Amino acid sequence: EVQLVESGGGLVQPGGSLRLSCAASGFTFSTYWMIWVRQAPGKGLEWVANVKQEGSEEYYVDSVKGRFTISRDNAKNALYLQMNSLRAEDTAVYYCARDGGSGGFDIWGQGTMVTVSA
Amino acid sequence: QSVLTQPPSASGTPGQRVTISCSGSNSNLGSNTVNWYQQLPGTAPKLLIYSSNQRPSGVPDRFSGSKSGTSASLAISGLQSEDEADYYCAAWDDSLSGFVFGTGTEVTVL
Repeated sequence: EVQLVESGGGLVQPGGSLRLSCAASGFTFSTYWMIWVRQAPGKGLEWVANVKQEGSEEYYVDSVKGRFTISRDNAKNALYLQMNSLRAEDTAVYYCARDGGSGGFDIWGQGTMVTVSA
Repeated sequence: QSVLTQPPSASGTPGQRVTISCSGSNSNLGSNTVNWYQQLPGTAPKLLIYSSNQRPSGVPDRFSGSKSGTSASLAISGLQSEDEADYYCAAWDDSLSGFVFGTGTEVTVL
């Protein structure tokens, strides 16, 4: 079964750090771009970052540049999001997703909640 | 950075046709294809339409997409109660070098 499972969310103080993980299974992970998308409580979807198959290219939304780092380990079929200098506005459900190749994110995880609060 | 504009809500009775618009600019919809996502309450988004008008396997043919210039639309024909959800358009933006999502449309079945 094709599946993505996120982990690592939780409560963190402003200025703190958190590392999210996404475990992939059921497909050849190394052949797909991978993405992180977030959704603040009661708000819409926001693309956060994506990374190329071999990790040689990364793109970020302006609001997280310099604070977040997307990475992957193809040997472990894992995607990561290192989040530093967290702010209250980073509070959201974070989803990892697979880019199916036509720009469409065709597989999504269930999401992991990140709460930034004192 | 929602640079794709959608109406906040849309509604219809069962069996009706509902259309959702998505307005962008030359750097996103004018240059790239659009994808549509359906998000049922409390669940992760699901890909509904890709490459502007293609349906992934398993998506009913009641859902259709189109794009012209800097605008796109999603149509739901034969509206059903299970179609109550939030719908988002999305596209790559060449100027931002990133993906942008629409503001989202909540569909209600009356």
